[in-house]
Amino acid sequence: QKEVEQDPGPLSVPEGAIVSLNCTYSNSAFQYFMWYRQYSRKGPELLMYTYSSGNKEDGRFTAQVDKSSKYISLFIRDSQPSDSATYLCAMKLGGGSNYKLTFGKGTLLTVNP
Amino acid sequence: NAGVTQTPKFQVLKTGQSMTLQCAQDMNHEYMSWYRQDPGMGLRLIHYSVGAGITDQGEVPNGYNVSRSTTEDFPLRLLSAAPSQTSVYFCASSPGGTNEKLFFGSGTQLSVL
Repeated sequence: QKEVEQDPGPLSVPEGAIVSLNCTYSNSAFQYFMWYRQYSRKGPELLMYTYSSGNKEDGRFTAQVDKSSKYISLFIRDSQPSDSATYLCAMKLGGGSNYKLTFGKGTLLTVNP
Repeated sequence: NAGVTQTPKFQVLKTGQSMTLQCAQDMNHEYMSWYRQDPGMGLRLIHYSVGAGITDQGEVPNGYNVSRSTTEDFPLRLLSAAPSQTSVYFCASSPGGTNEKLFFGSGTQLSVL
């Protein structure tokens, strides 16, 4: 079993839809959870970062972490064509300055106008 | 502010050739790393550095060498290219400490024939 599982999609939705992207993980030592957005032929960029269970909101984006279920989600409200990208979940172990991240495979999202 | 700069953007090699992928950052970041991204595999850590003169192996280090003689530069060397090294390579940097955010370059697409 991979440490981080992410459905690669592709996911296609109409503009304005609510999008739900998910990852599961097996290592309970993961403490920090991130979502990166990657446009075609570009490097990933950090979208959301959280280290606790519960929800974190930033504009149209909400990151949700459920450590008991080892499950994280990213919700996009009122999705826009500019949200079309690959979304990567990433996790890291707690403690120290360990910055090595374990990434999911990414989910390709297309928002159709 | 240039951020993380990778060169070249594209490269084609023949099996057995060697080359160096260049990475430079102008943000005075302590941490730098190299990832490769393959379809269906996600981002995998090759090598990383926690400061000038200090490097360590990541998840998939075989066939690659790195050095970190300055804070700004972190080149990745392919010693004898193999078709299995065909991939997109990303360099990333991070301020370090408690700041876990990774800043990625725009990538180098490498094909080994």
